[in-house]
Amino acid sequence: GENVEQHPSTLSVQEGDSAVIKCTYSDSASNYFPWYKQELGKRPQLIIDIRSNVGEKKDQRIAVTLNKTAKHFSLHITETQPEDSAVYFCAASMNYGGSQGNLIFGKGTKLSVKP
Amino acid sequence: DAGVIQSPRHEVTEMGQEVTLRCKPISGHDYLFWYRQTMMRGLELLIYFNNNVPIDDSGMPEDRFSAKMPNASFSTLKIQPSEPRDSAVYFCASSLSRGGGGGYEQYFGPGTRLTVT
Repeated sequence: GENVEQHPSTLSVQEGDSAVIKCTYSDSASNYFPWYKQELGKRPQLIIDIRSNVGEKKDQRIAVTLNKTAKHFSLHITETQPEDSAVYFCAASMNYGGSQGNLIFGKGTKLSVKP
Repeated sequence: DAGVIQSPRHEVTEMGQEVTLRCKPISGHDYLFWYRQTMMRGLELLIYFNNNVPIDDSGMPEDRFSAKMPNASFSTLKIQPSEPRDSAVYFCASSLSRGGGGGYEQYFGPGTRLTVT
């Protein structure tokens, strides 16, 4: 089955710096890679996702890159702000047509942005 | 839309008692997922449904856990009997398939924090 590894487990940056979180997956059939942000005591919320037919996707200060050959994908946050502090989860799943597979999550990265 | 609704938000029970968690997915969504989150094991999928039919329950820990989806707007996760190691936050999530006009995004409910003493 699919296995998702996420690194680092904790990340501390100064406000304004960039943060990068990396994930690898094992199943080459996976084709959907979302990133979720979870603030303390809250639900995971989707912040960005990428499909296997795309190499990079940006949304304001966040971007995700995907390398299908190497089976890894990364989250990039630029100009970090204190409100970016949270736990970030990557995930992978295999979806075809109208059929949807389950998400396999990484263990999470606790990001702390120091003002 | 109100989003995914879960109840109760907090549940404290004694070992051996039956616990029922409830979920109302986003209206129109055709997939429903139950997850468990702990510090040790992270986010784990327990079971998921498509059009009210269970598709994969391989994540259900043991026979003490059962889940049902009697209609498109309601699902339950039951633990009987409960044990202290079941203490966790249980999330329900829903999504709309590509066939239904969606794109695989899963929307999570607020979760139920279960404590078994």
